[in-house]
This record gives sequence, structure tokens and C-alpha cells, in this order.
Amino acid sequence: ESVLTQSPGTLSLSPGERATLSCRASQSVNSNYLAWYQQKPGQAPRLLIYAAFTRAIGIPDRFSGSGSGTDFTLTISRLESEDFAVYYCQLYGSSPPLYTFGQGTKLEIK
Amino acid sequence: QVQLQESGPGVVKPSGTLSLTCDVSGGSISISNWWSWIRQSPGKGLEWIGEIHGSGRTSYNPSLKSRVTISVDNSKNQFSLELTSVTAADTAVYYCTRNGQVSLDSWGQGKLVTVSS
Repeated sequence: ESVLTQSPGTLSLSPGERATLSCRASQSVNSNYLAWYQQKPGQAPRLLIYAAFTRAIGIPDRFSGSGSGTDFTLTISRLESEDFAVYYCQLYGSSPPLYTFGQGTKLEIK
Repeated sequence: QVQLQESGPGVVKPSGTLSLTCDVSGGSISISNWWSWIRQSPGKGLEWIGEIHGSGRTSYNPSLKSRVTISVDNSKNQFSLELTSVTAADTAVYYCTRNGQVSLDSWGQGKLVTVSS
């Protein structure tokens, strides 16, 4: 079972800036099995990116995913006020537990 | 657009059984998809509990397998979670989800369940 470690724990930026969030796996993984979620207070997580690069339906193109092997990145090109939230990466495994999550990165307004 | 809604008791006594139901609307639970239960607690973050197909096939997280049962009722378009022998460590927000392509593409709003006497 691969462990996902996200960094930084908290990222403080201003609207209009670029955000780069990292997700590192403890062993090399198939990039097709990596996803990203956004969670706002009091809400369920929302799928942003799946298969490392593919945006989910309705997700703006300022969100992009990249990476391979053990290192993956979620980039938000120009932050808008509604983007400040907690972001999680998730890996799909070949055997249970099928879905494992990173501990999250909190993106806060500077 | 599929929608999911969790329901069930918000408080469960220690050593009791946690029971939740997920109502699915906007799509048939029995056609092709898998459906999961996820929980989120401050101490353990997001944790996948298990999944079920409309056919009734299941898969569980090994860490919870001895205490978990997930079932489906196609006639009611809903699926359910039972977690036995609960302790304070099982206090969490429980979500039902639809499994997408190696991800979870639709989520219920979540149900806070507190284990307390």
C-alpha cells in the first residue's frame, strides 16, 4: 500500500497568484490512478482531477494536474477567492484499500 | 446528474452498531457503477471504508473488514453501511459516493455520527 504525503501543510497566497501543491507517493504509482479533490468547510470533497491530468466535469481550466512516478502536482494558475480550501490527493490501488488519501494541503488567503 | 443523500442516527452508543443509508437519485444504482462509503475524522483524515456494486459484490478496507457490511437495495435505489462494535474512534463524518474512473466523482453531503453514551 502506497502512502501519500502532501506538502506544504498550509500554503498562504493572494488571489491572482499561482498555487503549486505537491503529492508524493511512497512508491512509484501508475499516474492513471491519481486524483485530486477540493474541500470547503462544511462541504464534501469535490473531484477536480482524475487520471493525474484529466479535469472532472465543470472544473475550470485554471486547475491542472501533472506528474509521474512518485511525484504529482496540482497547479492553480491564477487563484480566485473561491479556490481557498483544502486539497487532497488520492490514489486508486489494485487491492483493498482501493482508495487512499493524502493528509491534505490547506490553501489560505495571505 | 446523480445525487446522493446519507441518512441515519447521528449518535450511536459505544459497542453498538452504526447504520447509515444512502439514497441515490438521478441514476440507477444497479447499472454498471460501484458505490463507496468514506469517512472523515480529524485524527485519521479521509478513509475509504468499502464499496458495493449494484449486483451486490463488495470490497472492504482490511482495517475495518471484520466490522463492516455494505449492502444494496436495488428496489429502493439505495445502499447501506453497518459498522459493528463502534468506539469513539469511529466518530466521523460519513460520506456515500459514486465510484468514477479511479476516483470518487459524486459525493453525498455527509452525515456526522458521534459515538457517545
